[in-house]
Amino acid sequence: AQKVTQAQTEISVVEKEDVTLDCVYETRDTTYYLFWYKQPPSGELVFLIRRNSFDEQNEISGRYSWNFQKSTSSFNFTITASQVVDSAVYFCALDFNKFYFGSGTKLNVKP
Amino acid sequence: NAGVTQTPKFRILKIGQSMTLQCTQDMNHNYMYWYRQDPGMGLKLIYYSVGAGITDKGEVPNGYNVSRSTTEDFPLRLELAAPSQTSVYFCASSSSRGNYNEQFFGPGTRLTVL
Repeated sequence: AQKVTQAQTEISVVEKEDVTLDCVYETRDTTYYLFWYKQPPSGELVFLIRRNSFDEQNEISGRYSWNFQKSTSSFNFTITASQVVDSAVYFCALDFNKFYFGSGTKLNVKP
Repeated sequence: NAGVTQTPKFRILKIGQSMTLQCTQDMNHNYMYWYRQDPGMGLKLIYYSVGAGITDKGEVPNGYNVSRSTTEDFPLRLELAAPSQTSVYFCASSSSRGNYNEQFFGPGTRLTVL
């Protein structure tokens, strides 16, 4: 069963546009952790954010923001005023027993 | 600190050959993980370890073996390579579970089985 769903396979935007990457997760546990990672074209994985299931406060870090809603089991990621350097594959991940990654959303930011 | 290192970076194997992918971390992390990433896909957990001497299966363990004799090292063994094991393999480590479970990833090993 799919634990983490990233329905958007690929998104293309023009620089300075805002873009939201969707993440829907599935778990019966009450305690779990959600993550976003970035994988630029060079291939490494870069940690972006971690959120535990008891903390539904949204978070903003510069141009990045995250919206966690337990009611809809979603943990969406928004990039404001996108830049070409944001072009990458973004993965949402869930940790409730083992670690599960979504299939990723490839973001193309065009100049 | 070097973080998580993996060797080799690239490898081509023939069907039926065996090899060991090496992973070492110098952060004194208890938890270590092996993932595979197939083209255009997310990462799938192969095996993980919560400490020296303790390992457990992930989502896709078939065809692989692991051992954890030290905190630093977590090698992944492929016994009889098959084309389906062509993938990029990532090793990762973390200090614990939960709020401190940020996983630090190695640079990956690109394996091709022909």
